[in-house]
Amino acid sequence: EPEVTQTPSHQVTQMGQEVILRCVPISNHLYFYWYRQILGQKVEFLVSFYNNEISEKSEIFDDQFSVERPDGSNFTLKIRSTKLEDSAMYFCASSSTGDEQYFGPGTRLTVT
Amino acid sequence: EDQVTQSPEALRLQEGESSSLNCSYTVSGLRGLFWYRQDPGKGPEFLFTLYSAGEEKEKERLKATLTKKESFLHITAPKPEDSATYLCAVQAFSTGGYNKLIFGAGTRLAVHP
Repeated sequence: EPEVTQTPSHQVTQMGQEVILRCVPISNHLYFYWYRQILGQKVEFLVSFYNNEISEKSEIFDDQFSVERPDGSNFTLKIRSTKLEDSAMYFCASSSTGDEQYFGPGTRLTVT
Repeated sequence: EDQVTQSPEALRLQEGESSSLNCSYTVSGLRGLFWYRQDPGKGPEFLFTLYSAGEEKEKERLKATLTKKESFLHITAPKPEDSATYLCAVQAFSTGGYNKLIFGAGTRLAVHP
């Protein structure tokens, strides 16, 4: 069964450093999303991406964040200068129709 | 503001003891309501989509129902492997159709043998 994959599973970085989180969505899906979940809190929407552009972003997704689909299979989230409060699980999701979204296993980001 | 509230926060059941989880929502035009299962340290796993009041979906021991203000996830004769956090999420109609999911905080279910 096709699934969303994410790498790395765990990333530790120092405050102020740049990180890139990588995702491979399900191959025939057209809609892509990033969410995050701070430990013990709700899953929160960050950004949606369709047709090679951002379609919606949340207030969390400020100028420190960017997304890219560099080729036909990868979808990345970049955080330019990480802060302690960026520590969270980051989930990539994809959808064929924009309705049901299928999530990856997540990347645990720890900022020290 | 679109909002999802789930209750109870945590539920402990004996194996075979049926129960229901609640998801109440306020949204400016419901496009869809989604149920996910999340195991510790893992991503949400899709279970059901419901689109209109009166709709029901079933999968093994789980049945999801939808009214105009809330959804229920009924668990019949649960087993220990049903232990997980169950997340409810809504999607609102908006321009573009690439709609974000708005999640509730989840119900942590523990089923004991």
